[in-house]
Amino acid sequence: GEDVEQSLFLSVREGDSSVINCTYTDSSSTYLYWYKQEPGAGLQLLTYIFSNMDMKQDQRLTVLLNKKDKHLSLRIADTQTGDSAIYFCAGGNTPLVFGKGTRLSVIA
Amino acid sequence: DADVTQTPRNRITKTGKRIMLECSQTKGHDRMYWYRQDPGLGLRLIYYSFDVKDINKGEISDGYSVSRQAQAKFSLSLESAIPNQTALYFCATSDFRGTGTGELFFGEGSRLTVL
Repeated sequence: GEDVEQSLFLSVREGDSSVINCTYTDSSSTYLYWYKQEPGAGLQLLTYIFSNMDMKQDQRLTVLLNKKDKHLSLRIADTQTGDSAIYFCAGGNTPLVFGKGTRLSVIA
Repeated sequence: DADVTQTPRNRITKTGKRIMLECSQTKGHDRMYWYRQDPGLGLRLIYYSFDVKDINKGEISDGYSVSRQAQAKFSLSLESAIPNQTALYFCATSDFRGTGTGELFFGEGSRLTVL
């Protein structure tokens, strides 16, 4: 089955770019997802990328997909304090498999 | 109102007690899921259901049971709660019909503490 790995912590200064990385094992995943969990809340879909795409950009968010290396990344430009949260990478075909989550801390 | 509603939001109970966590959704989705979140372990799948007559075990189903009472309702039971079931539990839904992306829609979570 799918296995999704991501680093647990990332700390950046406000205004810098954040890059959260993820590796996965199931190359048959149709979509790969990034979810955001703010303190005390459930998970909200942040963005997703179709498996036949290499890149997707949505305002401050850029998702890069390297299918050869099974590597997914999420770049947040001009990181703000409101971006502090846990970010989960998810993949696999239904049901989704989630990584352990990367806690992003933004220092003012 | 939330599309995916979980009750209770917080519960403290004692070892050996039976606990039920309930989930209802107004999204009309056919698929429902129960995940458990523990610090440093991410989300792990407990059970999932693709329709009312379909129930499947996930990665960590031992000690749990589920009931899909209707398309909109999916409950999770702990028959005899133990302290290592202390966690944040999430219900989620998805709809793979049509042109959907298969994304999951989550409830706000139910925090369970077993003493």
